[in-house]
Amino acid sequence: SQKIEQNSEALNIQEGKTATLTCNYTNYSPAYLQWYRQDPGRGPVFLLLIRENEKEKRKERLKVTFDTTLKQSLFHITASQPADSATYLCALVGRLSYGNKLVFGAGTILRVKS
Amino acid sequence: ETGVTQSPTHLIKTRGQQVTLRCSSQSGHNTVSWYQQALGQGPQFIFQYYREEENGRGNFPPRFSGLQFPNYSSELNVNALELDDSALYLCASSLGEYGSYNEQFFGPGTRLTVL
Repeated sequence: SQKIEQNSEALNIQEGKTATLTCNYTNYSPAYLQWYRQDPGRGPVFLLLIRENEKEKRKERLKVTFDTTLKQSLFHITASQPADSATYLCALVGRLSYGNKLVFGAGTILRVKS
Repeated sequence: ETGVTQSPTHLIKTRGQQVTLRCSSQSGHNTVSWYQQALGQGPQFIFQYYREEENGRGNFPPRFSGLQFPNYSSELNVNALELDDSALYLCASSLGEYGSYNEQFFGPGTRLTVL
């Protein structure tokens, strides 16, 4: 069955460093991959979308890569700040033959310490 | 803020009861999706509606049903509640017939507790 894995342990980093979060998937051929941020008690907030034919996308301090050979996406936050502390979710949607649905990983908790 | 609202914020029900959750999508968004999020897990896709028709469904039983209305509002109905239905229920609006391919605008969620 389709499976999406994100770091189950929280990632603790120092302010100013680059945070790198991983999203691995199996038994899946995603067409699009999305990253969301979720704060406690709130709904997820969209950050970035990358298509299967794109290697890299950037937005301000955020960068996402997508390697369909490794079946992996990496999400980077450069010059991290305490305000970046949250849970980060990756989500995939396949071609229509897989059904029109967005499948989320369990998320990785990021803690940025000052 | 995304402009997506949900009601109620919290709800407590008893096993076997029925519940209706409501969502108001962002203006102009013709697609709405509903997700269930258990503690410590990512959102799980329940179903999606486009122009009042269901056009995508996850692995949820038929007792989970929905409606979408022309005024950008929608409902999630759950019959015969079970203890495992306790979760945060999120709705998300987006654009296009296959809204899962586009940015999702999530509401704040409804926390359902089944006793």
